[in-house]
This record gives sequence, structure tokens and C-alpha cells, in this order.
Amino acid sequence: DAKTTQPPSMDCAEGRAANLPCNHSTISGNEYVYWYRQIHSQGPQYIIHGLKNNETNEMASLIITEDRKSSTLILPHATLRDTAVYYCIVRVFGSARQLTFGSGTQLTVLP
Amino acid sequence: DSGVTQTPKHLITATGQRVTLRCSPRSGDLSVYWYQQSLDQGLQFLIQYYNGEERAKGNILERFSAQQFPDLHSELNLSSLELGDSALYFCASSGGNVATGELFFGEGSRLTVL
Repeated sequence: DAKTTQPPSMDCAEGRAANLPCNHSTISGNEYVYWYRQIHSQGPQYIIHGLKNNETNEMASLIITEDRKSSTLILPHATLRDTAVYYCIVRVFGSARQLTFGSGTQLTVLP
Repeated sequence: DSGVTQTPKHLITATGQRVTLRCSPRSGDLSVYWYQQSLDQGLQFLIQYYNGEERAKGNILERFSAQQFPDLHSELNLSSLELGDSALYFCASSGGNVATGELFFGEGSRLTVL
């Protein structure tokens, strides 16, 4: 799986949009971008994934650049419950291989 | 609720002892993954089983072993426990009817070795 780079930490004001960047410059054509988050000591939770088009679900939006070398996860109206470590992972769609977690970004939503 | 069930949630034991952690995957999922997360470490992949067979192995110590049973539940056995084995142990599953590459994680088993 391609390597990803994320900032170690970010702050966001409650109610504002949280934009979490991820660089994946070595991504292959058949690799998707997946986002997970881990709220303190809980099991990681799947958020969203995408290939090249922007994706949106009830939790977040995923914006992938045209060259696919970077992406941004957007939480449109961050709440205190969104405070978590966010992981950006690239992997082949449908792969049954394990997920390799990096250090992720610690997002702190401030009141 | 991810649909993945792990027991026990908390476990306290002494050095040298042996414990077994249990995982029930989501209904229909054939793959089970075990991860370890120590206090100051990230999520480390230990081992994966697919439909009863070992599929991939990560940084799993020789003192640790796992298996997946015909009903697809899995157990992680940790023996000769050391203080450094204190960690959160997560189980995840995937590979149900729609294989999208998502893993679904349980809430973890917190092991404390005294």
C-alpha cells in the first residue's frame, strides 16, 4: 500500500468545518483513499473512501486532487465528539489485506 | 455498533500467565484481523485469518497465537505474559457479501499485566 503523510495534530472550533489533509504522492492507479478515525481508546471507525471523484456521505466529504497525489477529509460542522485521531490509508479497493495505520492526525475540536 | 464483538472488555493478570481473547466477526465476514495498540504505540497488525486459514502475519510474537474456528469466531492466545504486553487488542472483520476493503473493528480488549 502507498505511504501517506498527515500533519500530527490540528485544532478546529466547534461548528466550523474541519479540513484534514493527506499526501499520498505514490498512490497507484488501482488504489483508493480510505479514511478512518479512532476516538480515544475505541476501535477505529470507517469514515469514507474514494478513487478520484469527490465523495460525500453522512459523516464527511472527501476531496481528491485531480492528480490523486493528495486528498482532504472535510467534517462540515465539527462537534466535540469528532475529537479523534484520523487516519488516511491508501489501498486497493476490495483488498482483503490488513490495514496499515500510520500516525494519523489528532484532531481536537475546541468549544 | 460495528457488529464485531470482543470479550472480555477488560482483563487484569500477572506476568507469566496466559490469556485468551475472543472475537466474533460481523455476520458473513470471512476475514478476521488482530491488532495491538500499546499506550505509546500506533495500531500494530498482528495476524489475519480468512475462513479458518492464516492469511497474513504481522509483528506477532512467538508467545502469541491465534486461530479461527469453523463458526468464524477467532481467539488470540497470549502466553508467558510480560509487562510490555499490556495494551488494547482490537479485532476487525471484513469480506462479507460486498468486499469494499473496509474493516470493521470491535471495541477492543484492554489487557493489563501486573
